[in-house]
Amino acid sequence: EAQVTQNPRYLITVTGKKLTVTCSQNMNHEYMSWYRQDPGLGLRQIYYSMNVEVTDKGDVPEGYKVSRKEKRNFPLILESPSPNQTSLYFCASSPRQGFTYEQYFGPGTRLTVT
Amino acid sequence: RKEVEQDPGPFNVPEGATVAFNCTYSNSASQSFFWYRQDCRKEPKLLMSVYSSGNEDGRFTAQLNRASQYISLLIRDSKLSDSATYLCVVNKAHNTNAGKSTFGDGTTLTVKP
Repeated sequence: EAQVTQNPRYLITVTGKKLTVTCSQNMNHEYMSWYRQDPGLGLRQIYYSMNVEVTDKGDVPEGYKVSRKEKRNFPLILESPSPNQTSLYFCASSPRQGFTYEQYFGPGTRLTVT
Repeated sequence: RKEVEQDPGPFNVPEGATVAFNCTYSNSASQSFFWYRQDCRKEPKLLMSVYSSGNEDGRFTAQLNRASQYISLLIRDSKLSDSATYLCVVNKAHNTNAGKSTFGDGTTLTVKP
């Protein structure tokens, strides 16, 4: 089944404890992206990757890191999480046809930082 | 002003009604446009791409007006199952920003029996 998977789905952690949220897609998509969704603020792009070893900042990259060493994986790293990073996180991928990015989303990771 | 703005809603309509949502964008160089549907904090799912010539998929019609910088979504013969939040998405075209996606905050639709 073609899909985007994220792990973990739910995570409660404490301030300052490094964590990684994994994202993997099995559709051979070039493009991958991370978003966070907060009430009243909609979905905001954190980082995106046009291809392996190519990553760029979205609108809210502060406090996050990403890497794209393989086409299928795009982990999101929080080196020192803070309570303002409590959010619902979505990973997405796209086959990227020209300038068109029809994105397919993972199920989301609900992160709480205390 | 936000880059992508949507009708705030909520829209409450009876079954069978026709409802339309608009979404305006501020960057005239925006290249591609989409409507997504999101149910109750689940993942967004692609509903339709929006083409310059307009496109239709069953009860759903999407239009793009580049001159006025807005896209629209029309839902005819609303069903209870159409109740969801509808998100418009705009992607940039410039090489330095290609890949940046901006989502609207969403419009909530509730279809009542």
